[in-house]
Order: sequence, then structure tokens, then C-alpha cells
Amino acid sequence: QVQLVESGGGVVQPGGSLRLSCAASGFTFSRYDMHWVRQAPGKGLEWVAFIRYDGSNKYYADSVRGRFTISRDNSKNTLYLQMNSLRTEDTAVYYCAKDGGSRQFDYWGQGILVTVSS
Amino acid sequence: QSVLTQPPSASGTPGQRVTISCSGSSSNIGSNSVNWYQQLPGTAPKLLIYSKNQRPSGVPDRFSGSKSGTSASLAISGLQSEDEAEYYCAAWDDRLNGVVFGGGTKLTVL
Repeated sequence: QVQLVESGGGVVQPGGSLRLSCAASGFTFSRYDMHWVRQAPGKGLEWVAFIRYDGSNKYYADSVRGRFTISRDNSKNTLYLQMNSLRTEDTAVYYCAKDGGSRQFDYWGQGILVTVSS
Repeated sequence: QSVLTQPPSASGTPGQRVTISCSGSSSNIGSNSVNWYQQLPGTAPKLLIYSKNQRPSGVPDRFSGSKSGTSASLAISGLQSEDEAEYYCAAWDDRLNGVVFGGGTKLTVL
């Protein structure tokens, strides 16, 4: 069965950095596009970033472009999100999500909390 | 302010049929598939409807989706208490080169 497990969250000060990881299993990771989606406390879903199956294309939300970098290691079945210059408004639960082929998120991780606070 | 517009709340009684609307533009709903997600409190979202009213395995056929122009709707028939959740629409946006979400609709089963 498909499993996505995020790690690397925690508390960080404004201006700091954090790297999230998402370990994938139960499917051929190297064949699928992947996404990061976040949800601030009590708020709705916000798409963060996309990476093509081979890493050749990457897209970002305006709110994180230039600060966040999505990447993947297909040999390790792992997706990453490097987050720099963090702001308080980046506080959220971050989900990794598998792309089902038509830009739908057919599987989600359990989510990992990132708190940006001084 | 979300790119896609949903009503913040909806409600119905058990057995009733309810619909949730989602309004967008030509760059998202008008030219791409609309996907719907259900999020129960404290859990990750779950895919309900994708790509022209397709349902993933395990999603009851009480859930259905439709699209017309730059608007879409999720219909839930035979409403059940376990359907009480937050519902989100989403679509790829060709102008923004990213996925856009609606603000979410909280469904209450009275």
C-alpha cells in the first residue's frame, strides 16, 4: 500500500531554515510527480510546490518562490522541501502528496508541523 | 483570498442531497480538471473526485462531481453523519503554473 511519511518538522525562529523529508513506499516513486501542500492552523489548504517525476520541472507558489526548494532523490524514494528565510506565516502542517497523473493528489502523508516563532 | 471560490458552509439532514459549488476562471476550472477533497478533523485530506467525475476506489457513489464552464459542483446524495467534514475543490492553473484551492466548505449534518 502507498505510504508517505514526512519528517523534519519542528520549531524554528524567523529567518531560520528547515528541511522536510517525505519517505515514499508502496509505489514506483521515480515514475510519479510529487507535491508539497500546507495548511496553516485553522485555515484552508495551500499548494506549495511541484516536482516532475525526474526532477526536470519545478513550480512554486508565489508565497514561497525564492525561499523554498523542492527536490527528490529517486534512489532513496524520498522527496524534500528545503525551507529558508522562514516567516511566521509559514507556520503550518506540511503534507507531501503524490500526483495521480492529472494533478490530483491521490495519496497524502500524515503531515508534519512546522512552527516559525521567536 | 482563495483563487477558487466556495461557500464557507453548507448543511443538510440525513438522507438529503447537498451540493457545494466552486467557482474559478478560464485558466483553472475552465481548462483543467476539478478535483475534490474531503478532510475530517485532525486528519489529512482525502481525494474524493478527480478528472471528470472519477471516484478513487472506496469512495461511495453517493459522491459525484460536475463542471460547466468555469464552475464546478460536488453533490452528496443520501447524506450521512460521517459526511460531516471540510470539502475543498482544486484545479491546476495554467496562468499561475500551480494548483489552486478553494477556501473550503464546512459541511454540517443536522
